[in-house]
Amino acid sequence: DTEVTQTPKHLVMGMTNKKSLKCEQHMGHRAMYWYKQKAKKPPELMFVYSYEKLSINESVPSRFSPECPNSSLLNLHLHALQPEDSALYLCASSQVGLGEQYFGPGTRLTVT
Amino acid sequence: GIQVEQSPPDLILQEGANSTLRCNFSDSVNNLQWFHQNPWGQLINLFYIPSGTKQNGRLSATTVATERYSLLYISSSQTTDSGVYFCAVESYGGSQGNLIFGKGTKLSVKP
Repeated sequence: DTEVTQTPKHLVMGMTNKKSLKCEQHMGHRAMYWYKQKAKKPPELMFVYSYEKLSINESVPSRFSPECPNSSLLNLHLHALQPEDSALYLCASSQVGLGEQYFGPGTRLTVT
Repeated sequence: GIQVEQSPPDLILQEGANSTLRCNFSDSVNNLQWFHQNPWGQLINLFYIPSGTKQNGRLSATTVATERYSLLYISSSQTTDSGVYFCAVESYGGSQGNLIFGKGTKLSVKP
């Protein structure tokens, strides 16, 4: 099963709201990733978790807070976002080390 | 950091035509992947190809690591091939898992 799932598919939130994005994989991968993709741009890496520990934070603002509660799940907690944070948020997973990354369908976030 | 350049940026084809997409990268890589992003945003894995040649149906890819480029061939294109094709690389010696994407090639296949 080469599937990564993400919920919700769409999310509209106000600048004072708190929400969470969820990602799940059952491929036995121990590396998981969050990417952000603005319209007509390529995806950009935000965070990498390896063996449930945060290994890369690409200087992401603290209003984005990742969490990896177990080897299958990855969350992204959102708080006090700005309209410019509106984007497609993609989750991916892979084997640790050299490995092909598999992406979920994404959550399309709109901040009003 | 490593630079990834894709060409052409836009490509319009008639159904049934063949095409070649190119990805140049500026440094040695551990990982190179080709993706197709459909209109709904899903990134679909096409090839994991840090070196060598692979084929999958109408698609094939070749990476010449020593010359720092990769090619994606699409034969007998179909309207469902439309979308954006991304090349993404992980730099040798760079942070593990840090895929750097090119800007993509937007392909439109007309019936």
